[in-house]
Amino acid sequence: QSALTQPPSASGSPGESVTISCTGTSGDVGGYNSVSWYQQHPGKAPKLIIYEVSKRPSGVSDRFSGSKSGNTASLTVSGLQAEDEADYYCSSYAGSNSFVFGTGTEVTVL
Amino acid sequence: QLQLQESGPGLVKPSETLSLTCTVSGGPINTINYYWGWIRQPPGKGLEWIGNIHFSGTTSYKSSLKSRVTISVDTSKNQFSLKVTSVSAADTALYYCVRQGAAWRAMDYWGQGSLVTVSS
Repeated sequence: QSALTQPPSASGSPGESVTISCTGTSGDVGGYNSVSWYQQHPGKAPKLIIYEVSKRPSGVSDRFSGSKSGNTASLTVSGLQAEDEADYYCSSYAGSNSFVFGTGTEVTVL
Repeated sequence: QLQLQESGPGLVKPSETLSLTCTVSGGPINTINYYWGWIRQPPGKGLEWIGNIHFSGTTSYKSSLKSRVTISVDTSKNQFSLKVTSVSAADTALYYCVRQGAAWRAMDYWGQGSLVTVSS
């Protein structure tokens, strides 16, 4: 149950797109279509923005999209807005009803 | 609207037991479709999954914490609880309780978090 690997930081100008990777193993990301992504603003609880690799909960902007290839999942934020500046965490099911989180990525809107 | 609220001591001495309770309102805890879990976040650091429980009593724990962690559920009070024994400074964190979908395996509702500091 080692943490999934994410880049520490990512950035983009308003209107641009930014993509965050989340690398695991065949025992978590690669083995299940159960990758989720969470957005966390400072001092706030995380918020679910993507589940089952690419599905968005009701109310989440379609500017957020997810995908997966092999042991790496990705989150793309399109049309960057100031409000997207936050920390983003991936999570994956890892078997036996256990989960693992990513190391987190700080997104800065330039 | 479902709400989760953590409660418990904010300060615990080293080697003692950390105890937190999550009260669920706006919906029943005894539903087959969800698990109820705990996640923690040390100050300035990332999220760590601790474990979860189904109202039936089935539990799962992070392997490295399994020897020290117990999660229990009280359906009569619509609450579930976390106990961590033999705590050290490394257990200092913001502890979140969450609802997790059984089928789609993601945490869709989060409490606001409860800061627990381990210090003498």
